[in-house]
This record gives sequence, structure tokens and C-alpha cells, in this order.
Amino acid sequence: QSALTQPASVSGSPGQSITISCTGTSSDVGGYNYVSWYQQHPGKAPKLMIFEVTNRPSGVPDRFSGSKSGNTASLTISGLQAEDEADYYCSSYSRSSPVVFGGGTKLTVL
Amino acid sequence: QVQLQESGPGLVKPSQTLSLTCTVSGGSINTGGYYWSWIRQHPGKGLEWIGYMYYSGSTYYNPSLQSRVTISMDTSKNQFSLKVNSVTAADTAVYYCARYLSRYESSGSFDYWGQGTLVTVSS
Repeated sequence: QSALTQPASVSGSPGQSITISCTGTSSDVGGYNYVSWYQQHPGKAPKLMIFEVTNRPSGVPDRFSGSKSGNTASLTISGLQAEDEADYYCSSYSRSSPVVFGGGTKLTVL
Repeated sequence: QVQLQESGPGLVKPSQTLSLTCTVSGGSINTGGYYWSWIRQHPGKGLEWIGYMYYSGSTYYNPSLQSRVTISMDTSKNQFSLKVNSVTAADTAVYYCARYLSRYESSGSFDYWGQGTLVTVSS
């Protein structure tokens, strides 16, 4: 069982916006602004999409944005595109372990 | 551009030791601000952090794996390595090496990843 809880799947149509949640506790997500998000296409290595809750690495489209409220962090993808179909993982610093991951969310673009 | 490449046996027998090496190019592992990391992904499952090492030699491990895992570095070869002892079928996974960028204390994210290597534990 993963330390952080994500929905197993989300879906949306091209052009729409979707949000993926990542719920933890005050010992991880809620206690630190150190949530990251990763995108993983089948058979590929994960790719960093968001770090420190809201920051985008160079080259990541501004359609991807991150936020946090309390113990829940969120990844929002606006203007959904077919290439966004992938698995998404959140991670956070935790008092019990320097790195904890969420269980992953499969995004389907309808 | 930093690149990481995993290497090692793709098949390990139960009870033996899994050994992998990650070769880093485009940057030195002997540099502050980065932790050199191992992550694994069981078939069809999510990501599991194994541990990481700082250039100073400090190591940090996932508490659930700590008793069986060792991460080490060879700065002369710009490589770092993973050993997992007493493996079972439950250790069958794709193993990734990655660079963990830490800008502040307790912060960090995996900004560069290797392509991953499948290790199967079977007799």
C-alpha cells in the first residue's frame, strides 16, 4: 500500500481539463511544500513534470500545473491532448522516509 | 545534458545478490546538491523508492528495504551501484537509477532518469 493516495484512473476529452489528487498526511504532503509529479508513458522512464508543488521544469508545457491544499496536492492538466495519456505519480518528502510515492493514476484521453 | 544508464544481470537466482550499476555522463556525481538514487517498479505496479547516496558518502534507504540494500559510489568511474541481498521473486522489477535534485533541506525531485532495466528473480 502506497504512502500517498491517488485515484486509480481519471479520464477526459481532448481540450478539457482534468485534476489528479494526491492525498497524504501532515507528516508528508501537508507538512512540506516538496511534492513532485511524474509522467510515465508505457515502457518509458518517468519524467518530472512538477516539483516543489507548483514549479515546472524547463520544457514542460504550461498546461501542467500543481497546487496544494492541506494534506492534498493536485496536478491539473488543461487543454488535454492525446499525448498526455500516461500514468502519473506524485511523490513527497515524509518524516518517515525521505521519499514516498503515490500509487499512480492512469489518465485516459477519450 | 545528464544521462544515466543502468547495467547488470537481467536474471538473478533466489537467495542470491542483485547487483546493478548506473553510469552517469554529462555531469559529475561528486557534486553537492544531488542524491544518486535507485527506484524500482514491479510489473504493472507503481514506483518504489529504494534509496539514495550523497557525494559525501551518506546513504538513505527505504525503511522497508534497509536491511537488504546497499548503495555505493565509484567517483573515479562516475558510477554508483545497488546491491540487494537475499532476493526473492518479489524483487522482480524494473530498476531505475535517477538523479535527485535537492535545492533545500528535505526538498527534492528526480530530474534525470535512466531508461530502466528489468531484473527477474527466478531459478
